[in-house]
Amino acid sequence: GAVVSQHPSWVICKSGTSVKIECRSLDFQATTMFWYRQFPKQSLMLMATSNEGSKATYEQGVEKDKFLINHASLTLSTLTVTSAHPEDSSFYICSALPGSSFSSEQYFGPGTRLTVT
Amino acid sequence: EDQVTQSPEALRLQEGESSSLNCSYTVSGLRGLFWYRQDPGKGPEFLFTLYSAGEEKEKERLKATLTKKESFLHITAPKPEDSATYLCAVRISNSGYALNFGKGTSLLVTP
Repeated sequence: GAVVSQHPSWVICKSGTSVKIECRSLDFQATTMFWYRQFPKQSLMLMATSNEGSKATYEQGVEKDKFLINHASLTLSTLTVTSAHPEDSSFYICSALPGSSFSSEQYFGPGTRLTVT
Repeated sequence: EDQVTQSPEALRLQEGESSSLNCSYTVSGLRGLFWYRQDPGKGPEFLFTLYSAGEEKEKERLKATLTKKESFLHITAPKPEDSATYLCAVRISNSGYALNFGKGTSLLVTP
């Protein structure tokens, strides 16, 4: 149980284009999902908190107009990197918080490797 | 400022050689300390949650403990398949359910 998937697992795009990454909770409903970014040899940095049916909350320094987040259902959140640049190349990981859980464990997806050329 | 510091940064063990990883934290209003395992190119895999000082949890060769200032992840008689990066994260009172991660300890267990 508690499986989270991401699609695509890797993507290469040209500078200036937009890329959409999907995060799905496969066997549970998630009212809250999180998006993290991880650079090589670095830890996970929280980008934003996504709540179903409401606007995402972005961490300081994360451009909300560049990283568009949509949490349209209890099992799906999407992250769109708009007008991507090489410095956006990173490993993007989502996590989901089971809505019915009395604990607070987040379950992570396998990540999406984005390379902007 | 809330901080999570993990040590050592990297650790190399022989198979069967037990050791401990450290996670020290300076946060206000701790609402849970989490341990995750991350394999290269993959997302973190949940291991343990600890909520209060004195709490301990075990899973196979791993045992996590918590004090008011730090947490230890003890690895007993490790095997090569235990090789991974181990991440510590804290949930603090004003962060909702978001996690603040340390930089991790990269563990290599050789046969």
